[in-house]
Amino acid sequence: AQTVTQSQPEMSVQDAETVTLSCTYDTSENNYYLFWYKQPPSRQMILVIRQEAYKQQNATENRFSVNFQKAAKSFSLKISDSQLGDTAMYFCASSYSGAGSYQLTFGKGTKLSVIP
Amino acid sequence: NAGVTQTPKFRILKIGQSMTLQCAQDMNHNYMYWYRQDPGMGLKLIYYSVGAGITDKGEVPNGYNVSRSTTEDFPLRLELAAPSQTSVYFCASSYSTGYTFGSGTRLTVV
Repeated sequence: AQTVTQSQPEMSVQDAETVTLSCTYDTSENNYYLFWYKQPPSRQMILVIRQEAYKQQNATENRFSVNFQKAAKSFSLKISDSQLGDTAMYFCASSYSGAGSYQLTFGKGTKLSVIP
Repeated sequence: NAGVTQTPKFRILKIGQSMTLQCAQDMNHNYMYWYRQDPGMGLKLIYYSVGAGITDKGEVPNGYNVSRSTTEDFPLRLELAAPSQTSVYFCASSYSTGYTFGSGTRLTVV
């Protein structure tokens, strides 16, 4: 079984500043994947960034980047140049190909508010 | 390209009533999933399917049933609705780890 822990229920950041959201996970799998999803008030689940565990290089996607520390089982998300549109719930999630499916396990989320 | 379509978007049920949440995808994905999201919580897996005719329980299956007669459709059935089933329900499909989520169904049981 996999577990995902997000220890920051809420965070705030000034617009144009940088913020880091924390995530730790636990898994006994060797081949797994990690994700950050954004959920705005519209409740749509939007993929922010994805990391394959076998890749040592940290994933980046425009203003979003991760710090993947495999030994520490840590997967933090850095948002640079924060914008008002970044205000949302952010969920860290993991998956693996066990049992023939790719079911996602989610953390409880971090509510991020960008302050103008 | 519609992606994953969930109906209805909102529903209020009385205790003991039954209903089916519909989910359809047009991407020919083998894998489909049902999650529930309680207030202030992450999504928890109810049931999943790896292909037509094959389903299995997730973390919180009690009170729910599913079927998968076609690749496209994966309905979730609630029997004897209870207040504890008040939640937002998400259907998702995937090809490997490329997931597409529906827009969710907000269900209230009173």
